[in-house]
Amino acid sequence: LAKTTQPISMDSYEGQEVNITCSHNNIATNDYITWYQQFPSQGPRFIIQGYKTKVTNEVASLFIPADRKSSTLSLPRVSLSDTAVYYCLVGDSFKAAGNKLTFGGGTRVLVKP
Amino acid sequence: DTGVSQNPRHKITKRGQNVTFRCDPISEHNRLYWYRQTLGQGPEFLTYFQNEAQLEKSRLLSDRFSAERPKGSFSTLEIQRTEQGDSAMYLCASSISDRGVNEQFFGPGTRLTVL
Repeated sequence: LAKTTQPISMDSYEGQEVNITCSHNNIATNDYITWYQQFPSQGPRFIIQGYKTKVTNEVASLFIPADRKSSTLSLPRVSLSDTAVYYCLVGDSFKAAGNKLTFGGGTRVLVKP
Repeated sequence: DTGVSQNPRHKITKRGQNVTFRCDPISEHNRLYWYRQTLGQGPEFLTYFQNEAQLEKSRLLSDRFSAERPKGSFSTLEIQRTEQGDSAMYLCASSISDRGVNEQFFGPGTRLTVL
C-alpha cells in the first residue's frame, strides 16, 4: 500500500479556504485517493475520492496532478464545524482484499473564529 | 437512524476481564469491518467480514480477540483477558462490496478503558 504524508496540523479562520496537501510518491496505477474526516469521539466520514485531475462534490474538491504523486483536498469557506482531523488514504478501490482502509496520522485542522 | 450503530458506547473494565462489543451495520451492506484507534492515531484495521465469512484478520488481532458475524448481519468483537494496552476506541464500519467508491460508513465507536 502506498504510504501517505500530510501535515500534522493546520490552523485557519472562518470563511477561508483550507487546502491540505498529501504526498503519495509510491502510488500504484490502480490506486485511488480517498479523504476521510473525523470529529472527536466519532467514526471517520468519507469526504471525497478521485483518481486524477479534479473531483468536486458538495463538501470539497480534490485536485490531483498528472503524476498523481500528491493530491490536495480543498475545503471552501470553512466554518467552526469543519474543525476535525482529515485523513488522506491511497489504495485500490476496486475489488481489493476487503477494501480495508489504511489510515495515517491525519491532519488536524483547527478553524478559528 | 439507518447508520451503523455500536454498543456499548463506553466500557470500563478491569484487567483480565472479558468484554464483548456489538456492531449493527447498515442493513444492505454485506461487508463489515472492525478497526481500533488509539489517542492521536488514525484507525488501524483489525478484521473484516463479507456476509458471515471472516475473510481477513490483521496481525494486530491477537488470540485474545475474536470476531463473529453469525448471520451476516450484526457482528460482535470479544476481547478475552483484557490488558491495559487494549484501551482504545473500537470502530465498526460497513460497506457494499460491489461499489467502486471506497466508502465505508463508520459507527460512533466503543471506547474501552482497561484499568
